[in-house]
Amino acid sequence: KQEVTQIPAALSVPEGENLVLNCSFTDSAIYNLQWFRQDPGKGLTSLLLIQSSQREQTSGRLNASLDKSSGRSTLYIAASQPGDSATYLCAVAGGGADGLTFGKGTHLIIQP
Amino acid sequence: KAGVTQTPRYLIKTRGQQVTLSCSPISGHRSVSWYQQTPGQGLQFLFEYFSETQRNKGNFPGRFSGRQFSNSRSEMNVSTLELGDSALYLCASSFLGQRDPKRNTGELFFGEGSRLTVL
Repeated sequence: KQEVTQIPAALSVPEGENLVLNCSFTDSAIYNLQWFRQDPGKGLTSLLLIQSSQREQTSGRLNASLDKSSGRSTLYIAASQPGDSATYLCAVAGGGADGLTFGKGTHLIIQP
Repeated sequence: KAGVTQTPRYLIKTRGQQVTLSCSPISGHRSVSWYQQTPGQGLQFLFEYFSETQRNKGNFPGRFSGRQFSNSRSEMNVSTLELGDSALYLCASSFLGQRDPKRNTGELFFGEGSRLTVL
């Protein structure tokens, strides 16, 4: 059974810092991995999708990497801003599971 | 381009009642998936529909059901509501669904959700 773990569960940093969010999964036979952000009471916003054949994807200040063999992905946020405050969720497709398997998320607070 | 639209956004029901939630996917997307989000369990997969057929199903009781129409719009129904069904129900659409590695697609786009409270 695929399991996804996100570390840390919560993170509070001053504005302007670069930060890394971690995601690990137990079954490396995935199709893709997707990072989302969720604002309180809202739906999920897709940030980056990494296919299983890719090593990383970049969008603006965000960079996500994927190491299938070790079952890990990282989301790097450069020059953090208060507007980046949200819960960040990692989800994998495949690995023996139907549907996406989500981690519990990292609750991020950027202090002005 | 309009995003995924879910209705209603909020609803309150009592135990034993049933509820129907609606989802309109992004234009051109044929796959619709449903997820349940609760504080304790996080996000859990309910089912996926593709071209009016249920393609995958998560580990939920038969009280949870869904369907997809020819225009790709989807509905999910929960019968005999229980207190534990209180959750945010999220719908996601995708061009080809999440299990088509040959096409390198599978990105899911979510709606704002329907928040169900069962009293």
